[in-house]
Amino acid sequence: AQSVSQHNHHVILSEAASLELGCNYSYGGTVNLFWYVQYPGQHLQLLLKYFSGDPLVKGIKGFEAEFIKSKFSFNLRKPSVQWSDTAEYFCAVTPYSGGGADGLTFGKGTHLIIQP
Amino acid sequence: DTGVSQDPRHKITKRGQNVTFRCDPISEHNRLYWYRQTLGQGPEFLTYFQNEAQLEKSRLLSDRFSAERPKGSFSTLEIQRTEQGDSAMYLCASSLPRGGYANTGELFFGEGSRLTVL
Repeated sequence: AQSVSQHNHHVILSEAASLELGCNYSYGGTVNLFWYVQYPGQHLQLLLKYFSGDPLVKGIKGFEAEFIKSKFSFNLRKPSVQWSDTAEYFCAVTPYSGGGADGLTFGKGTHLIIQP
Repeated sequence: DTGVSQDPRHKITKRGQNVTFRCDPISEHNRLYWYRQTLGQGPEFLTYFQNEAQLEKSRLLSDRFSAERPKGSFSTLEIQRTEQGDSAMYLCASSLPRGGYANTGELFFGEGSRLTVL
């Protein structure tokens, strides 16, 4: 079974700082990878996803992530954060083949606080 | 709003009572998932339906939990004889069938039903 590890549980940054949130997964086969965001009081929303092709994927609100297969990593980045980026961020993985339940397996999340 | 909707949003109950949550997925989505999220944790998979068939259940889903999707549209999650450890946010998500370029396994989540067991 697959698993996801997010290295930072709490991150505090000032506005305009650069952001990188780490995500590593364990699974022996090909995977699809996701970053979801949960703003305070709102439901989980997709930030970006990777399933094939260019390992550098761009998402909404200026976020991007790079899939490094050799490192089993899918780190999330943003060059300049804003106060509105304060939220919980979840990395998730699902097997590429789509067989069985193939529901997403989530990491524990990173709580990001942006100080004005 | 044509997203995933869940009801009720909040439920407070006493230990030992039964509770039921309802989920209405996005209409063209044939896959429906239930997840549970506790404080400081990511969502944990509970069970999954493809149309009306319940195809997989997590070991987290004890015998006190039952989920149905009788007509392949809305789903219910019932918890019998609730325990304090059942206190959590119960999330429902739906998706299109897997396969094809566009259907990559992305899940669309509802806002969740928060259960508090006293």
